[in-house]
Amino acid sequence: EVHLVESGGGLVQPGGSLRLSCAASGFIVSDNYMSWVRQAPGKGLEWVSVTYSNGKTYYADFVKGRITVSRDTSKNTLFFQISSLRLDDTAIYYCARTGISAPGTFDDWGQGTPVTVSS
Amino acid sequence: SYVVTQPPSVSVAPGQTARITCGGKNIGTQNVHWYQQKTGQGPVLVLYDVSDRPSGIPERFSGSTSGDTATLTITRVEAGDEAEYYCQMWNSHSDHPGVFGGGTQLTVL
Repeated sequence: EVHLVESGGGLVQPGGSLRLSCAASGFIVSDNYMSWVRQAPGKGLEWVSVTYSNGKTYYADFVKGRITVSRDTSKNTLFFQISSLRLDDTAIYYCARTGISAPGTFDDWGQGTPVTVSS
Repeated sequence: SYVVTQPPSVSVAPGQTARITCGGKNIGTQNVHWYQQKTGQGPVLVLYDVSDRPSGIPERFSGSTSGDTATLTITRVEAGDEAEYYCQMWNSHSDHPGVFGGGTQLTVL
């Protein structure tokens, strides 16, 4: 059974940084496409990034230059490091296994980890 | 960037048919997917590639495209269908392949 668990969220001051984790079970992270999607309080879903199985990552413009996505194969975990945090980065951050049903489908989701940017 | 438009809300009585639209230029050239998100829960894929249903999604959920509009249709609407519905596009040839519509709140009267 596929299971995704995000962690690492919390309260951070503007300009700070965070590293989010997405621990997977039931499949191998590095063999799959993996995405990050976020949802600001009371707002809609927003695609953030996708990492293909070859390691290539694409980012939304609003995070480009501020995030690094990496994988730890020994831990079967995806990491999302974001810096220069802004107030509007406040959101629940979900990781999602991507592209199983069709190109770009977010087939399996974690429960999300909340990030609050506030002074 | 690619812009995707959804109506903020749709209301329907139980047993009736709900139609939720998603507009985008040349939408037929994109992979179009739909998600259901109930209050306090994570999103769930309900349709992919316009009209295909993942395992476990009822046949009451269907999809179509016409022109620059994709439509999610839910027949015989039930109280449990009340949720936010998001369309999502994917363009594998783009450096920004993923985009969501703003979401539509389906209210079952």
